[in-house]
Amino acid sequence: EPEVTQTPSHQVTQMGQEVILRCVPISNHLYFYWYRQILGQKVEFLVSFYNNEISEKSEIFDDQFSVERPDGSNFTLKIRSTKLEDSAMYFCASSEAPGPNQPQHFGDGTRLSIL
Amino acid sequence: KNQVEQSPQSLIILEGKNCTLQCNYTVSPFSNLRWYKQDTGRGPVSLTIMTFSENTKSNGRYTATLDADTKQSSLHITASQLSDSASYICVVSSSGTYKYIFGTGTRLKVLA
Repeated sequence: EPEVTQTPSHQVTQMGQEVILRCVPISNHLYFYWYRQILGQKVEFLVSFYNNEISEKSEIFDDQFSVERPDGSNFTLKIRSTKLEDSAMYFCASSEAPGPNQPQHFGDGTRLSIL
Repeated sequence: KNQVEQSPQSLIILEGKNCTLQCNYTVSPFSNLRWYKQDTGRGPVSLTIMTFSENTKSNGRYTATLDADTKQSSLHITASQLSDSASYICVVSSSGTYKYIFGTGTRLKVLA
């Protein structure tokens, strides 16, 4: 079964540094999402992306965050100047079509640790 | 505010036993409800999905119920196995939005 793959599995970064988290969605999917899960808390929506545009974002997704689909396969989340509170598990997801009835398939996440 | 609450927070059962996990939500307008299984260190994997008109859905040993009037759902696991040890997360979608609203999850531990 096709999978969403995320790299790296674990990223350790100094506070204030930029970090890029990478995702390869399922090949025929057109809608992409990032979620995060702070340790011990629930998974939270960050952003959805379609046709090279952000279609929806949460209040968490402020100016330090950006997303990009730099080529036909990768979908990236960039955090410009990392803060300690950015430490979390970041999950990428993709779906074939938009809308709440479409299943989103999740990757195994990137654990981001900010020192 | 759109919220999804789950109980219990954690649960320990013996292998072969049944268990039921609960989910209450206040998401509106409601579109559908999913149960996900999340193994430690892995991403969530979908178990079931139910829309407003469905009140039960099964996937093997997993059976989910939905009461859209009381805004409650349950996930029943039959004849538990050691591999059922994981977090079970209730996820609700709202009409007109792409995002999923996640519950806090129930951590299930199945002991031999």
